Amino acid sequence: SQQGEEDPQALSIQEGENATMNCSYKTSINNLQWYRQNSGRGLVHLILIRSNEREKHSGRLRVTLDTSKKSSSLLITASRAADTASYFCATAVPFLAGGTSYGKLTFGQGTILTVHP
Amino acid sequence: GAGVSQSPRYKVAKRGQDVALRCDPISGHVSLFWYQQALGQGPEFLTYFQNEAQLDKSGLPSDRFFAERPEGSVSTLKIQRTQQEDSAVYLCASSRKPARRGGSYNEQFFGPGTRLTVL
Repeated sequence: SQQGEEDPQALSIQEGENATMNCSYKTSINNLQWYRQNSGRGLVHLILIRSNEREKHSGRLRVTLDTSKKSSSLLITASRAADTASYFCATAVPFLAGGTSYGKLTFGQGTILTVHP
Repeated sequence: GAGVSQSPRYKVAKRGQDVALRCDPISGHVSLFWYQQALGQGPEFLTYFQNEAQLDKSGLPSDRFFAERPEGSVSTLKIQRTQQEDSAVYLCASSRKPARRGGSYNEQFFGPGTRLTVL
């Protein structure tokens, strides 16, 4: 089952515009990560925000996290055609197995972003 | 250095055939994960290895799915008697040590995946 729900499911914008994607989740988390997936390729890690952080920046990316609302948003500023991809949020939840705790990732269904040149 | 690699990239199998999918993680990465991604969906967790130990296999959909990592590096996901519902992209990911005391779990680095089509 997938913990995250992403909104919108699809987003179509013009080059130069900003794109905002939202993610909601259900349980307490250790961190939340955003990944990008181009057609036919694997996932590329974009940014990780810890549960005690509220906002994080990386280049043209800005991520916010509201643990009280169990939600996160990813903002891509000044979008480019090359940003066209599917974007997934993934929550890392502590999972105890074999006496070791690890971060089990649960992905949302993704937002398909299309940036028109 | 090299990223996570997977082979084959594409596999077509007849229903009932056994398949083996290989993952080469980033050198030195302790943790290795397998995910299944159906068309139009996000990846879903299958199993987790820490070194050679399979610590969590709660996501494996049936006993036809088997994974191993005998020497703590390369991993193989085997699917026996494939069914059409097994058609999906199988992703492998690796990461450094699971967590630091009081720290945050590490990001995972994904391979390109193996697209399995069962006819």
